[in-house]
Formats: sequence, structure tokens, C-alpha cells
Amino acid sequence: DAKTTQPNSMESNEEEPVHLPCNHSTISGTDYIHWYRQLPSQGPEYVIHGLTSNVNNRMASLAIAEDRKSSTLILHRATLRDAAVYYCILRVAGNQFYFGTGTSLTVIP
Amino acid sequence: KAGVTQTPRYLIKTRGQQVTLSCSPISGHRSVSWYQQTPGQGLQFLFEYFSETQRNKGNFPGRFSGRQFSNSRSEMNVSTLELGDSALYLCASSLLNTVANTEAFFGQGTRLTVV
Repeated sequence: DAKTTQPNSMESNEEEPVHLPCNHSTISGTDYIHWYRQLPSQGPEYVIHGLTSNVNNRMASLAIAEDRKSSTLILHRATLRDAAVYYCILRVAGNQFYFGTGTSLTVIP
Repeated sequence: KAGVTQTPRYLIKTRGQQVTLSCSPISGHRSVSWYQQTPGQGLQFLFEYFSETQRNKGNFPGRFSGRQFSNSRSEMNVSTLELGDSALYLCASSLLNTVANTEAFFGQGTRLTVV
């Protein structure tokens, strides 16, 4: 299974943009890049996903490198509620996810 | 639309006992997968069910088993509990299991403590 590499932790000031990087150098052509986040004492929550093109939704933006070996989750204005562990996951067909260690995001007021 | 429901939310069992956890997916979703989350190992895939059939299984011993019913509800069972089985058990529901271009919805999990 393809693996992802993320920094263990990051900090951001409130109301500033946050760029969360993810490396996935062994990605295959059919792997979708998914991002989920997990708040304390809750199950993971879907954030965004994409295949090749950059994607935007109400929560975030996903920028995918042209060679697809890396991607960046962008939170445009971090709020205290965005403090969570963010997981970058490569998902092939099937409802199974292989989670890495994720990035713990701290938002500083 | 109701979310993914896992019951019970908390459970305390004794070593050697067995336990059954339940997951009710979002209405219309036919795929359910299970995960174990511990501080040391993080989130690990247990197994996945679709239309009452186990499609994939993670690297866990045979003490961990599951099933899915015709209404898509799923149960997982752990027999001969060990202290190391203490964890948060999460299930995720998805509309299909053949398409990676869909989101999955996770329940809040069952916190199992083995003493």
C-alpha cells in the first residue's frame, strides 16, 4: 500500500492561512488523495479529496503537484476549531484507509 | 440524515472475555470498514464489508472477526480479550466500496478498556 509522509506537528496563528504538506512518492495513477481530520475524542472527519487537479470546498483547498508525488492541504483562515490531527491518505478502490501518523495542528489565539 | 452510529460508546471488559461492537452505517450505505486506534499504533485498518461479504482484512489475529447483516449494519467481535486490545474502535460507512472518489463517514467510536 502506498504510504504518505507528513510532519508530526505544525502551529498556526488564528486567522492566518495554514499549509499542511504531504509526500506520497509511491502514488499510483488510480490513487485518490484524501484528507481527513480528527478532533479530540471524535472519529475522523472528511475534509477534501482529489485525483489530479486542485480542489476547493467550503472547508479547504487541496493543491496537488503536477507529478502527484506531493500535495498540500490549505486552510485559508485557521480558527481554534481547526485544531486537530490531519491525515493525508491514499485511497484506492474500496472503503479502506491506511492512515499514517498525521499532522497535529495547533492554532494559537 | 442520521450519521454513523456506534454502540456502545464505552465498554470495560476483563481479560479473557469476548466483546461485540455494533456499527449502523448511514442509510443507503453498503460498505462498512473497521479501525483500531491506539496511542502507540495510531489508526489501523481491521476489515471491510460490502453487501455482507468481507472484502479486505488488515493484519490482525483471528481473534478479531466481523460480519455484516442484510441491512448493512455491522458487528465486530473480539474473543479472548488481551490488555493490548484496549483501544478506540471506529467504523466508517461509504456508499460503495468500488469507488475511491467518495467520502467515508466515521462514527464516534467505541472506547474499549480491558482490565
